[in-house]
Amino acid sequence: GQQLNQSPQSMFIQEGEDVSMNCTSSSIFNTWLWYKQEPGEGPVLLIALYKAGELTSNGRLTAQFGITRKDSFLNISASIPSDVGIYFCAGQGEAGATNKLIFGTGTLLAVQP
Amino acid sequence: GAVVSQHPSWVICKSGTSVKIECRSLDFQATTMFWYRQFPKQSLMLMATSNEGSKATYEQGVEKDKFLINHASLTLSTLTVTSAHPEDSSFYICSARDRGQGREKLFFGSGTQLSVL
Repeated sequence: GQQLNQSPQSMFIQEGEDVSMNCTSSSIFNTWLWYKQEPGEGPVLLIALYKAGELTSNGRLTAQFGITRKDSFLNISASIPSDVGIYFCAGQGEAGATNKLIFGTGTLLAVQP
Repeated sequence: GAVVSQHPSWVICKSGTSVKIECRSLDFQATTMFWYRQFPKQSLMLMATSNEGSKATYEQGVEKDKFLINHASLTLSTLTVTSAHPEDSSFYICSARDRGQGREKLFFGSGTQLSVL
């Protein structure tokens, strides 16, 4: 199945550092979503983006919907140990498949106290 | 936020048996639900789209006779893994679309870890 390219694959940082990850696609999406998944759990929605160029914040998290509609980034500021998990981007609304959610390959984040 | 309940959380079964996984939307009606499979250290891969009152739509490479999907009501979809084999061992996750929030948002269940011996 199709996946979106997400980078970096993993990050190991110190508490307090800022984090940035991004997602790119060869296809255009109408919606970009960012999820966090912890071991043995389903993904939890962090931020949803609906318009090209949109910049949205949720606490220490900020995400942007790329102008080309083919990319998105997620920033986490002042990381804390509970930010540990796998972060997935997801695109929705690809031409001809408006309901489907296509996931990125994931970014594993480890935060050292 | 909307709540999606998935049951069971984990199941261990013998090879050749069938396993049913339930996905319920607790506080909204979901005409569409999605089933994903996730192997260790990998991303979620869409298996099928479950439509209330009609047949499911399967992704390429997913055997519809092996992964039976039933979406009999607006709050319940079930995935049955028939004649399970060890290679079917995986983390299965459902999601449901909540149109009531005015935007196309998907909420996920907590997943089912299937281990086939």
